[in-house]
Amino acid sequence: NAGVTQTPKFRILKIGQSMTLQCTQDMNHNYMYWYRQDPGMGLKLIYYSVGAGITDKGEVPNGYNVSRSTTEDFPLRLELAAPSQTSVYFCASSYEGIAFFGQGTRLTVV
Amino acid sequence: QKEVEQDPGPLSVPEGAIVSLNCTYSNSAFQYFMWYRQYSRKGPELLMYTYSSGNKEDGRFTAQVDKSSKYISLFIRDSQPSDSATYLCAMSRSGNTGKLIFGQGTTLQVKP
Repeated sequence: NAGVTQTPKFRILKIGQSMTLQCTQDMNHNYMYWYRQDPGMGLKLIYYSVGAGITDKGEVPNGYNVSRSTTEDFPLRLELAAPSQTSVYFCASSYEGIAFFGQGTRLTVV
Repeated sequence: QKEVEQDPGPLSVPEGAIVSLNCTYSNSAFQYFMWYRQYSRKGPELLMYTYSSGNKEDGRFTAQVDKSSKYISLFIRDSQPSDSATYLCAMSRSGNTGKLIFGQGTTLQVKP
């Protein structure tokens, strides 16, 4: 029973590099989310999607892009990585308002 | 004003104490209320959820929702060191508008 799977678990990027954080879920949930969590802080919503082909910005979307071509996958793209994007990134999917989280991607930008 | 307010703590209690964690919210359209537990370096995991008002009990945990006061609580009885974690409240509207709004999280430490 996989649930929400994120890859990679850890990554170090140099300033200006780009990368894609992968997220896939096998629960057939329509809603999916990307959050970032800085040390000692709560979750901040980056982007979310209400279904395949539909995405919308959260509270901190700058520097990120998303796509949702299938129900299962919701990748997060970082273009021109900056030190301010050093954080732990969580992907989640939800049904009837109840969210299930992946185990996170710990990203460091140096 | 944030839609969901939660005191970040930290909260430190002795083992066996009753713990009360709380959140307030401003959007009366919220219908689903959740509590998540997050251990260090792990993703949040669903602990309790309640639809609309009322109480829900699961073992040592009780979730309460008071929609008239826009206030939710999580009570932990006979707290254990293994309960030491960050507890996040979350809320969403009903129907298809399932976007979740999280509180900042309260860090709890239960001392042996």
